[in-house]
Amino acid sequence: ETGVTQTPRHLVMGMTNKKSLKCEQHLGHNAMYWYKQSAKKPLELMFVYNFKEQTENNSVPSRFSPECPNSSHLFLHLHTLQPEDSALYLCASSQELRDEPQHFGDGTRLSIL
Amino acid sequence: RKEVEQDPGPFNVPEGATVAFNCTYSNSASQSFFWYRQDCRKEPKLLMSVYSSGNEDGRFTAQLNRASQYISLLIRDSKLSDSATYLCVAVYNFNKFYFGSGTKLNVKP
Repeated sequence: ETGVTQTPRHLVMGMTNKKSLKCEQHLGHNAMYWYKQSAKKPLELMFVYNFKEQTENNSVPSRFSPECPNSSHLFLHLHTLQPEDSALYLCASSQELRDEPQHFGDGTRLSIL
Repeated sequence: RKEVEQDPGPFNVPEGATVAFNCTYSNSASQSFFWYRQDCRKEPKLLMSVYSSGNEDGRFTAQLNRASQYISLLIRDSKLSDSATYLCVAVYNFNKFYFGSGTKLNVKP
């Protein structure tokens, strides 16, 4: 059982909808991450948070808006997405923002109609 | 050029075989490296870290070659349960995590 939980597991939305993805980690970690995984492509790091502060925005379009209210929770707010945004969105956490292993959630499989 | 490159495979091997994957990275400043495994429609899970001196965990051996900028994963005595996609990761600057596209392994009875 993973210490990182993501909801919802699946999401289908239209291009004009607004939705949010949620991630919660129960590991006492201080760093959290959002990744995008598209078919046949490597995981792409989107955002990094360390002690609730954003430390990395990997040139992600503004239609993706992250929020980190505390070290245990991470959200990804979605607005006016495009069909090419359909992918698996994975949340991960690590003890510190260092070169150490990350623990991943199950992911949210997002489909944009 | 991709930061991390892997042969996508698939590698189809019989049970009991030894199989090796390589992964090359482009940034010589990369500090740390990991291997993850990802089962179909599941999240990546850490398999092992890769140290400069190499490391071994049971049937799995990981090695780092900084001069040639590649890491390797060797699996001995393959099991059916080893079937998965293996992802390598290179990290630099502590917050730059680059994943490869993964190498798919199919272990057949």
